[in-house]
Amino acid sequence: AQRVTQPEKLLSVFKGAPVELKCNYSYSGSPELFWYVQYSRQRLQLLLRHISRESIKGFTADLNKGETSFHLKKPFAQEEDSAMYYCALYPLNAGNMLTFGGGTRLMVKP
Amino acid sequence: DTGVSQDPRHKITKRGQNVTFRCDPISEHNRLYWYRQTLGQGPEFLTYFQNEAQLEKSRLLSDRFSAERPKGSFSTLEIQRTEQGDSAMYLCASSQYPRENYGYTFGSGTRLTVV
Repeated sequence: AQRVTQPEKLLSVFKGAPVELKCNYSYSGSPELFWYVQYSRQRLQLLLRHISRESIKGFTADLNKGETSFHLKKPFAQEEDSAMYYCALYPLNAGNMLTFGGGTRLMVKP
Repeated sequence: DTGVSQDPRHKITKRGQNVTFRCDPISEHNRLYWYRQTLGQGPEFLTYFQNEAQLEKSRLLSDRFSAERPKGSFSTLEIQRTEQGDSAMYLCASSQYPRENYGYTFGSGTRLTVV
């Protein structure tokens, strides 16, 4: 079975500081990794996918298969980045559903 | 298409009552998922459908829970004899399989409070 771990429940940074939200996973097969974001009073929405290797709102994430990690990074945090962030794993070979981590609340202070 | 819709947004019920939630997915999506989210936790998988077939159910889904997707379009999730531990946000999501590496689209959820 797969598991996703986000070790930090809360991450608080000042505006302009770098941000790294950690995500570790365990899965024996080939995973697809995602980051979802939930802004206050809004629905859960897809932020980025590892397969597309894109940068969304200045965020990037690199899949490190050796360390089984998919950390989310942004060089300069903005106040509007404050939200809940969830890392999720989709197993390509079995069990066709997303497994989510527990989430990290990012607070960007002015 | 306005995305994934869930109804109601909020439901307060007394312990022991039955409740039913509805989800309308994106029309061209063939897969529909139900998740449950409690405070401070990430979404937990409950069950999913491909068209009208229910393909998998989590161990979290006790026999008091039942889900249907009768015509492969909207879905309902019913909880019988509700308990206080059922209080949670119930999320619905849809996707187009096999292109699920594009991710799921989530609804706004139904918040259930059992008193």
